Order: sequence, then C-alpha cells, then structure tokens
Amino acid sequence: AQSVTQLDSHVSVSEGTPVLLRCNYSSSYSPSLFWYVQHPNKGLQLLLKYTSAATLVKGINGFEAEFKKSETSFHLTKPSAHMSDAAEYFCVVREGAGNMLTFGGGTRLMVKP
Amino acid sequence: DAGVIQSPRHEVTEMGQEVTLRCKPISGHNSLFWYRQTMMRGLELLIYFNNNVPIDDSGMPEDRFSAKMPNASFSTLKIQPSEPRDSAVYFCASSSPPDRRNEQFFGPGTRLTVL
Repeated sequence: AQSVTQLDSHVSVSEGTPVLLRCNYSSSYSPSLFWYVQHPNKGLQLLLKYTSAATLVKGINGFEAEFKKSETSFHLTKPSAHMSDAAEYFCVVREGAGNMLTFGGGTRLMVKP
Repeated sequence: DAGVIQSPRHEVTEMGQEVTLRCKPISGHNSLFWYRQTMMRGLELLIYFNNNVPIDDSGMPEDRFSAKMPNASFSTLKIQPSEPRDSAVYFCASSSPPDRRNEQFFGPGTRLTVL
C-alpha cells in the first residue's frame, strides 16, 4: 500500500526567501512521485515528476525536488519565492506503472510581500 | 490541445435534483479519472476507466453516484438525487496508457453546490 504525508498544512514565507515544502511517502514498490500545484479556483497543474531517472528533478517556475529513498522523502524547494507561488501544493505517489494515485493532504503556501 | 474539458464549471442545484457532470479527456488518452475535492477530505478518487471500461469504482460514495464512459472522448458523472453533502469540486483527469512516466492531466473542475 502507498501513502503520502505532507508534514505542513500551511507554510508562510516572505517574497524572495527560499521555499521548502516537505513530503514523505511509503510505497511497497518502486514509486513514481509528483508535485502538483493548485491555484485558487483552478485545477491541478503538474510541477514536476520523479520516475526513477535522476533523483534531483527540476520542474516549472523554478521549483525542484529531490528523491531520497533512504529518507523516503520528496521535498519541494525553490530558492526564491514569488508572490505568484501562493497556492496549494500536493505531493502524489504512484506505485509502479499502475494508475492509482495517492494524494497528500496538501500544503498551502502563503507568500508575504 | 485544449486539455481536459469539463462542463459545467459551476452548478448550483437544489437537494433532490439530478446533476450531470461532463468530461472530455485529452485526445489519445485512454485512462480517465473522476475525483472529488472537499475541505474535509481533500482529494478523493471516485472512479477510473481504462479504455472506456470502469476499473475501480470503490471510491464512489453510494448508489446515488454513477459514472459512464460511452466512448473514448466523453464521460459523465451523475448524482441522483443530489444532497447538500455532495457539494464539492469535482475534477476529471486523463492520462495515456499506464506507464510510470505518465502523469495525469486535470481539468479545471466543476464546483457543485447543492442547496
């Protein structure tokens, strides 16, 4: 069985400072991991994905995430937050090549001017 | 490509009425998913189809909910009769054949309010 834990339900940063959104997962098989972003009243957009290639994955809008198997983590980072980054972020795991996704509870990122 | 298309974007109805939500997946995608998002329970998978066939409907809350996929380019999620606790945002997503590299593409969602 697979599961995802997003350790923080809310994160607040100042514009221009680094962003860290934490995600831990459990999976019986080699997982694929994704980060999706949801802006207010919008659908979910893929930020980046890990599918067993390079462990450091770069995504859109300057975000990146590192797959650490030993820590079962897939934390999302960005060096410098922008006001437009304010949104909800979901860490998602999928086992093997199956279709079933398991979503974390989401982390709401707030960016202060 | 227009992406996943959902209609309507907003629906307000009264308790007891039938509600039909529609989804057009991305052309060429053969998997389609219906999700529900609420504040209390986050994102929940309701049902998914592969090649128009329902594969897993264990997330469908009760018999009032039904989903169909009559062809590769169209799916419906129906609630009959609707209840206030069905108020949520319903997302449709599609993906190409199961492969660990393939992500799901989400539609903009339908915000349902049942009064």
